[in-house]
Amino acid sequence: GQSLEQPSEVTAVEGAIVQINCTYQTSGFYGLSWYQQHDGGAPTFLSYNALDGLEETGRFSSFLSRSDSYGYLLLQELQMKDSASYFCVLNRDDKIIFGKGTRLHILP
Amino acid sequence: GAVVSQHPSRVICKSGTSVKIECRSLDFQATTMFWYRQFPKQSLMLMATSNEGSKATYEQGVEKDKFLINHASLTLSTLTVTSAHPEDSSFYICSARFRDRSTDTQYFGPGTRLTVL
Repeated sequence: GQSLEQPSEVTAVEGAIVQINCTYQTSGFYGLSWYQQHDGGAPTFLSYNALDGLEETGRFSSFLSRSDSYGYLLLQELQMKDSASYFCVLNRDDKIIFGKGTRLHILP
Repeated sequence: GAVVSQHPSRVICKSGTSVKIECRSLDFQATTMFWYRQFPKQSLMLMATSNEGSKATYEQGVEKDKFLINHASLTLSTLTVTSAHPEDSSFYICSARFRDRSTDTQYFGPGTRLTVL
């Protein structure tokens, strides 16, 4: 089978850095993605890792290690607007599997 | 990013009626589109994978006769909730999948909030 684990909630301070971890079990996949969702809105794409290593997009970075079955999303210079849910997603040929999401709370 | 539209954004209907939700990919031709439902403060639950020109693939536990999916063109997929009941009230979201050698991205519609009275 396949599963994704990520923390249900994380709290950080405005201006700080936060890392949201994602561990997975799957029989096969070709990429790991991250999506952001604000309350009442639809998810929006943040990043995609097909290969091991770090992908950087502005304040957001994502990392993948296939040997460790592990990835993370790193958010820098946190802003209040970053308060949202973040989902790690396994990309397979036959389907896409969403994690349960991590709710990020940001304190002023 | 690409734009995916979804219509209607909100619908309230009586129990027993059918509701049709349209999902359009405006910027690219989407061979694959997905339909999700989401309950408050929960993750997205994949209902089905819609492939253009073929039958949808439903996830376990999703009734294909209740949730009819049609993907008649590369830019349009529809979800019809037949004989809706209050327990079908939820947030329904579609997405269009874009894949190339460097990315695999889903572009989501804005969602449809269905309330069945």
